[in-house]
Amino acid sequence: QKEVEQNSGPLSVPEGAIASLNCTYSDRGSQSFFWYRQYSGKSPELIMFIYSNGDKEDGRFTAQLNKASQYVSLLIRDSQPSDSATYLCALLFGGGGNKLTFGTGTQLKVEL
Amino acid sequence: NAGVTQTPKFQVLKTGQSMTLQCAQDMNHNSMYWYRQDPGMGLRLIYYSASEGTTDKGEVPNGYNVSRLNKREFSLRLESAAPSQTSVYFCASRQETQYFGPGTRLLVL
Repeated sequence: QKEVEQNSGPLSVPEGAIASLNCTYSDRGSQSFFWYRQYSGKSPELIMFIYSNGDKEDGRFTAQLNKASQYVSLLIRDSQPSDSATYLCALLFGGGGNKLTFGTGTQLKVEL
Repeated sequence: NAGVTQTPKFQVLKTGQSMTLQCAQDMNHNSMYWYRQDPGMGLRLIYYSASEGTTDKGEVPNGYNVSRLNKREFSLRLESAAPSQTSVYFCASRQETQYFGPGTRLLVL
């Protein structure tokens, strides 16, 4: 069983809409959660991280964490064509763990 | 700050050749990582170094060796390249958050 699950997509949304990207995980010991954006041919770029249950907002991006249900989401408001990329979810286990575990990513396409 | 840098950007090898991928970071991070990324497979951890002087195997270490030369530098060596090692290789470093280098695209013929 994969430790981090993401729908590979593609997820298509019209420009200006809200894009909702979801990630589920299996290990309840996971404590820190990260969202990366990766454009084709480029390296992953950190967008947001979240440690506590609830929502964390940064500009057009909102990360949502629900540890009881073991999912983390990324909402992108007012989606733009430049948001078209693959979004990677990653988590860090607790207990002093040093390795991020990545999902395989969801491809987002924002259409004009 | 340059962040995480990698050299070379591109490399073509013949089967059996050896090479070293170089990685350096200027963020004073303790932990450094090497990943490979293949279509449909996501990022897979090859080796990591939690701190200077330590290295540990990741998910796919076979065919690779690493050296944590100092706090800044973490190199990845392919002793005898195989076509299965054709991939994009990313180095990363982490303190609280993890940052990636630009990647090395390797083709093994």
